[in-house]
Amino acid sequence: QKEVEQDPGPLSVPEGAIVSLNCTYSNSAFQYFMWYRQYSRKGPELLMYTYSSGNKEDGRFTAQVDKSSKYISLFIRDSQPSDSATYLCAMSEVNYGQNFVFGPGTRLSVLP
Amino acid sequence: DGGITQSPKYLFRKEGQNVTLSCEQNLNHDAMYWYRQDPGQGLRLIYYSQIVNDFQKGDIAEGYSVSREKKESFPLTVTSAQKNPTAFYLCARDRGAESYEQYFGPGTRLTVT
Repeated sequence: QKEVEQDPGPLSVPEGAIVSLNCTYSNSAFQYFMWYRQYSRKGPELLMYTYSSGNKEDGRFTAQVDKSSKYISLFIRDSQPSDSATYLCAMSEVNYGQNFVFGPGTRLSVLP
Repeated sequence: DGGITQSPKYLFRKEGQNVTLSCEQNLNHDAMYWYRQDPGQGLRLIYYSQIVNDFQKGDIAEGYSVSREKKESFPLTVTSAQKNPTAFYLCARDRGAESYEQYFGPGTRLTVT
């Protein structure tokens, strides 16, 4: 079993839809959770960061962490074609970069 | 591109040749990282460096080497010993300890034939 799993997609949705992207993990010691967005042939950019359990909202994006289920989610409201990208989750036991574990990414296409 | 310059964007080499990928940052951050990205897999850490003249192996360091002679530069050499070198290579930086925000460069796509 991989340490962090993501549905690879591709996930295709119409413009304006609510998108739910998810990761599951096996290490109960993870407590720092990140979501990155990666456009094709570009480097990932940090979208959201959460510590421990709970929700965090930033504009159209909401990150949720459920540590009891070892499950994290990223919701995108009013999705736009510009949201079409691969979304990577990452997590860590401590907030040191060398300990980050990345998921394989979910490819999202938002159709106009 | 997260304050990181990587060059070139695309690189082609023949099998058996060593190749060096450039990574430069201009934000005076201490920590720098090299990752490899393959389709269907998460980013995997090759090497990282917290300070000048010091670096540590990541999860997949075999067949790679690095140097950190200057704070702003962290080049990665893919040696002929790396069995499967074709991949997308990403360099990242952060502020070091107590910093969760990694910033990635644009990446270098290496193709070895």
